Amino acid sequence: NAGVMQNPRHLVRRRGQEARLRCSPMKGHSHVYWYRQLPEEGLKFMVYLQKENIIDESGMPKERFSAEFPKEGPSILRIQQVVRGDSAAYFCASSPLTGAYEQYFGPGTRLTVT
Amino acid sequence: TQLLEQSPQFLSIQEGENLTVYCNSSSVFSSLQWYRQEPGEGPVLLVTVVTGGEVKKLKRLTFQFGDARKDSSLHITAAQPGDTGLYLCAGEAGGTSYGKLTFGQGTILTVHP
Repeated sequence: NAGVMQNPRHLVRRRGQEARLRCSPMKGHSHVYWYRQLPEEGLKFMVYLQKENIIDESGMPKERFSAEFPKEGPSILRIQQVVRGDSAAYFCASSPLTGAYEQYFGPGTRLTVT
Repeated sequence: TQLLEQSPQFLSIQEGENLTVYCNSSSVFSSLQWYRQEPGEGPVLLVTVVTGGEVKKLKRLTFQFGDARKDSSLHITAAQPGDTGLYLCAGEAGGTSYGKLTFGQGTILTVHP
């Protein structure tokens, strides 16, 4: 059973460009979560999605960030007009329908903004 | 806002020693998870505890959830160099915070041969 998959593993963007991070949940999991780990900081919740629904986006910055989990295909975290402060590791996690607290993490995408 | 205070932040011990990592909060959590994270990788789920007072064992690792569900501990017996890594606790408060994990700052454990 494949785990949570994220791509790309590393992404370099120049200031002002767009970053798209993809996440495919574990088979059978219908909940997806995005977390951000800034240098020297802990993991911070960003957003919780189910298929075609945003359940909780209280951790998402109000501007430039958006997330979706379409009916078909992976979940996408999109960062528009990236700035240096967006450089971080972005982790996706998934959980089964009956256990939102049992979250399994992907390997992460390391975003570097130059 | 729920906060999880994890201690110690750093722990450097010799192979064979025992250790305990603590995770404390003033908030009640519906569940608490312990993860281990290797450099350049995502956190790997070790255990979930959901009942106050619950104790779970995973080989040489013992996890305990406080009676009031505000704190937890991870105890490692006879630590080995392979235990080296970053250990994270994470709590889920339920209710309006359902699905949202709050993470502690982590404990970096180094076990010397």
